[in-house]
Amino acid sequence: QKEVEQDPGPLSVPEGAIVSLNCTYSNSAFQYFMWYRQYSRKGPELLMYTYSSGNKEDGRFTAQVDKSSKYISLFIRDSQPSDSATYLCAMSVTVQGAQKLVFGQGTRLTINP
Amino acid sequence: KAGVTQTPRYLIKTRGQQVTLSCSPISGHRSVSWYQQTPGQGLQFLFEYFSETQRNKGNFPGRFSGRQFSNSRSEMNVSTLELGDSALYLCASKTERLSDTQYFGPGTRLLVL
Repeated sequence: QKEVEQDPGPLSVPEGAIVSLNCTYSNSAFQYFMWYRQYSRKGPELLMYTYSSGNKEDGRFTAQVDKSSKYISLFIRDSQPSDSATYLCAMSVTVQGAQKLVFGQGTRLTINP
Repeated sequence: KAGVTQTPRYLIKTRGQQVTLSCSPISGHRSVSWYQQTPGQGLQFLFEYFSETQRNKGNFPGRFSGRQFSNSRSEMNVSTLELGDSALYLCASKTERLSDTQYFGPGTRLLVL
């Protein structure tokens, strides 16, 4: 079983829809939770970064963490075609004094005009 | 501030050859991590360097090695290339603070024929 599970999709929604992306994890030692966006042929770009249970909002993006259920989500409101990308969840744990990042498989999202 | 840079961006090699990839971190970042990204396995951690020392290592064979220089620039080497080494190799840098997250470069796309 993978430490981080993420549905690879693909997910296709119409412009303006609310998008919900999710990851589950098994390692309760994970301390920090991130969402990265990766456009085709580019490196991942940090979108959201949080460390506590609850919601964190940044513009049209909301990250939600539920540590008791080992579940994180990313919501995108008023989705735009430019949001079409692969979204990767990532979680970090401290190993021997260093941060180790574990990524989900990534969900490929397409927003249709 | 300039982002993480990686060279070359694209590379074609044949089986049995070796390859060296280069990464320049964000100014002031002393930690450099390397990842392999493939469609089947997603993003997998290779190793992390901090202050010229390997601090963490993923589950890759010894053909994969790296080093870091005193200016924090890093190189990754893969010897005796195999077809399965075809992937996007990503470099990420961060500060030494555990709570900070990683920032990725655009990657080097390696094709092994």
